[in-house]
Amino acid sequence: SQQGEEDPQALSIQEGENATMNCSYKTSINNLQWYRQNSGRGLVHLILIRSNEREKHSGRLRVTLDTSKKSSSLLITASRAADTASYFCATGSDNYGQNFVFGPGTRLSVLP
Amino acid sequence: NAGVTQTPKFQVLKTGQSMTLQCAQDMNHNSMYWYRQDPGMGLRLIYYSASEGTTDKGEVPNGYNVSRLNKREFSLRLESAAPSQTSVYFCASSEWGPNQPQHFGDGTRLSIL
Repeated sequence: SQQGEEDPQALSIQEGENATMNCSYKTSINNLQWYRQNSGRGLVHLILIRSNEREKHSGRLRVTLDTSKKSSSLLITASRAADTASYFCATGSDNYGQNFVFGPGTRLSVLP
Repeated sequence: NAGVTQTPKFQVLKTGQSMTLQCAQDMNHNSMYWYRQDPGMGLRLIYYSASEGTTDKGEVPNGYNVSRLNKREFSLRLESAAPSQTSVYFCASSEWGPNQPQHFGDGTRLSIL
């Protein structure tokens, strides 16, 4: 099955710096989603990018998608301590639940 | 507006015991999901319900059963708990199918001794 794989597994930066996380997947997708998970909480949806889109913005978040390389990146600009969390990409090739897969995540630490 | 509510938040079971994890959403969503999350891994789908009256197996369904009680509620049952089922369980819902944003509960932390 297809699978999103985030890179790096862990990232530590200073407040104010930009954080970039990458996601790679194996098969054709319908869309790609990014989620955030704070410690001890459920996942929160951040942004969805469709397969025919190349870039999408939401506040301090910028997501790119390169279907030829089967990869996506999530950029968080001007990071804050509150951005400390795990970030997951998830991909779906159709609308069947079995084919919707989360990657293992990137753990981001933003140091004050 | 509570979103997705899971009960209980924590539970400790002995091997062989049974229990049901409850999930309810108040967003009038059609699709609901049960995932498990283990350390260092992403979420793995146990079962999902595309719409009221339907349920389908996900990646790791063995040892679990589900019931879509109505549009709001989707329960997960462990008939005979095993230590390998120690995990954090998340329920989620979406308007229609997994390719729309999913809304998650805060999880049930389950330990099986």
